[in-house]
Amino acid sequence: KNEVEQSPQNLTAQEGEFITINCSYSVGISALHWLQQHPGGGIVSLFMLSSGKKKHGRLIATINIQEKHSSLHITASHPRDSAVYICAVEYGNKLVFGAGTILRVKS
Amino acid sequence: DADVTQTPRNRITKTGKRIMLECSQTKGHDRMYWYRQDPGLGLRLIYYSFDVKDINKGEISDGYSVSRQAQAKFSLSLESAIPNQTALYFCATSDLGGNHNEQFFGPGTRLTVL
Repeated sequence: KNEVEQSPQNLTAQEGEFITINCSYSVGISALHWLQQHPGGGIVSLFMLSSGKKKHGRLIATINIQEKHSSLHITASHPRDSAVYICAVEYGNKLVFGAGTILRVKS
Repeated sequence: DADVTQTPRNRITKTGKRIMLECSQTKGHDRMYWYRQDPGLGLRLIYYSFDVKDINKGEISDGYSVSRQAQAKFSLSLESAIPNQTALYFCATSDLGGNHNEQFFGPGTRLTVL
């Protein structure tokens, strides 16, 4: 069983829709990261959180430590949000990554 | 200029060849990592280094070796490449200080082993 599970694996949405990507993990962690990988391959960090909720523009990330679950929300989605979204959990000195969610937003 | 660079960006090679992938960073970070990414799988850690004199194996180090030539440089070698090492390889860095391990990634190297 993977330590980090993301759902869904693939997601297609219409422009303007509210999007939720989920991440569940099975180990105790010190933090959880959400990253974005664009079609060109580059990976950038979106959020790093250990409790509660963070917001950046149209992106919101939440975490429930007791339930070992995090969600990434995108409000008013746009085609430029199309990318792979990756959840990673931090424990010890390392990150363990989920397989990613492929998001396509159609105009 | 990019903070974390990788060379080459693309490489096609044949089974049995020795390959070196290079990573350089201008962020001044102590920690550097090599990952590989395969379709449908998460990034998997190959090797990591917390300073110039520190090298550690990750979860999939077999068939790979690394060299930390300086704080800014971390190279990954495939001594004898095999087809199942075809993958996208990423270098990443993070700062020794701070509470959490935010990592900064290079653009990736697409390696194909025929």
